[in-house]
Amino acid sequence: GAVVSQHPSRVICKSGTSVKIECRSLDFQATTMFWYRQFPKQSLMLMATSNEGSKATYEQGVEKDKFLINHASLTLSTLTVTSAHPEDSSFYICSARDLLWAKNIQYFGAGTRLSVL
Amino acid sequence: TQLLEQSPQFLSIQEGENLTVYCNSSSVFSSLQWYRQEPGEGPVLLVTVVTGGEVKKLKRLTFQFGDARKDSSLHITAAQPGDTGLYLCAGVDSSYKLIFGSGTRLLVRP
Repeated sequence: GAVVSQHPSRVICKSGTSVKIECRSLDFQATTMFWYRQFPKQSLMLMATSNEGSKATYEQGVEKDKFLINHASLTLSTLTVTSAHPEDSSFYICSARDLLWAKNIQYFGAGTRLSVL
Repeated sequence: TQLLEQSPQFLSIQEGENLTVYCNSSSVFSSLQWYRQEPGEGPVLLVTVVTGGEVKKLKRLTFQFGDARKDSSLHITAAQPGDTGLYLCAGVDSSYKLIFGSGTRLLVRP
């Protein structure tokens, strides 16, 4: 089946630093990738939709200058949390949609746990 | 704003018992999906239901999509400790984005 790799799986950083999270589709091309955020014991909340070669579309309430998304190729999207603060600590999950398969199917990465000290 | 409410939020049962998780919305979805997520991992797709009234079975799991395509249920027969996890329903909206439900945390005790 389709595999989405997310890296790193865990990151601890100091307040004020920036953190980059990578999301790669390993065996398929993904014109669209999605970034979600999940707080402890809560559900997934969509942050933004990332389209290859164009600007990301952010959900209401998500700061685009805070969460920079780049989707430079059909297999890679990155999320950069800029000037991270403790309240940005969360579980970030990406997913990718296969260009050739059903539009309602997303393949999820294993997530990145960000802890900001 | 489309919302999906799941109930119950948390369920702790003994191995061998049956259970049902509900996913309700006031919105109509083109399809609805159920996922299971384990701690520290991404969600894993269990099933997609598309047609109103559709029933799908996956071993001991039975999924049903409401006739009006606004609600769904997940029934687990003879639950096992390996079924423990966070169960999430997700509606697919008109732009093919996933709207996740509030989640049901299931604990199956041996």
